[in-house]
Amino acid sequence: NAGVTQTPKFQVLKTGQSMTLQCAQDMNHEYMSWYRQDPGMGLRLIHYSVGAGITDQGEVPNGYNVSRSTTEDFPLRLLSAAPSQTSVYFCASSRQGGWTGELFFGEGSRLTVL
Amino acid sequence: AQTVTQSQPEMSVQEAETVTLSCTYDTSESDYYLFWYKQPPSRQMILVIRQEAYKQQNATENRFSVNFQKAAKSFSLKISDSQLGDAAMYFCAYADSGTYKYIFGTGTRLKVLA
Repeated sequence: NAGVTQTPKFQVLKTGQSMTLQCAQDMNHEYMSWYRQDPGMGLRLIHYSVGAGITDQGEVPNGYNVSRSTTEDFPLRLLSAAPSQTSVYFCASSRQGGWTGELFFGEGSRLTVL
Repeated sequence: AQTVTQSQPEMSVQEAETVTLSCTYDTSESDYYLFWYKQPPSRQMILVIRQEAYKQQNATENRFSVNFQKAAKSFSLKISDSQLGDAAMYFCAYADSGTYKYIFGTGTRLKVLA
């Protein structure tokens, strides 16, 4: 019973490097989203998607790209990492049909940008 | 824009006692959900309780209950018979059923004293 799987769990980057955080869910959820968690700031929405081919910006989208080519996958791309992107990132999904609002979270990915 | 405010950065409770965590929110929408999520040291986000805005009855889940005051835009979480395993960060969250956007508060760290 995998649920929402994020990889990698830990990553260290140098300023200017690029990387992709992977997120996959096996629950056939239409809704997927990315959050960053910083001390004292809670979780802030970066990007979200309500289905394959559909993405939208959240509260803090700058510096991040997303795409949704399949229902299962929702990768988050950092094209040129900056120290301000040091954070813990969470992917979360939810079903839309009969929406209850409950988010299912991955285990998080800790990213450090030097 | 919707906001969620948790004014208590940290709370302590004696084991077996009751504690209440506060949350206020602001929205002009009438159809929304409110949630409390728990984040233990493992970092995993766990849904504690959910409240639909159209329901007047307060949600309960075992030792967890909410006091939902829609007019006051208040959504507090009461934990009864506190246990050591309840020690965690607790996040209040709002979800708009029209846009599927989630807004999280900054969190309250709960310590349970033996």
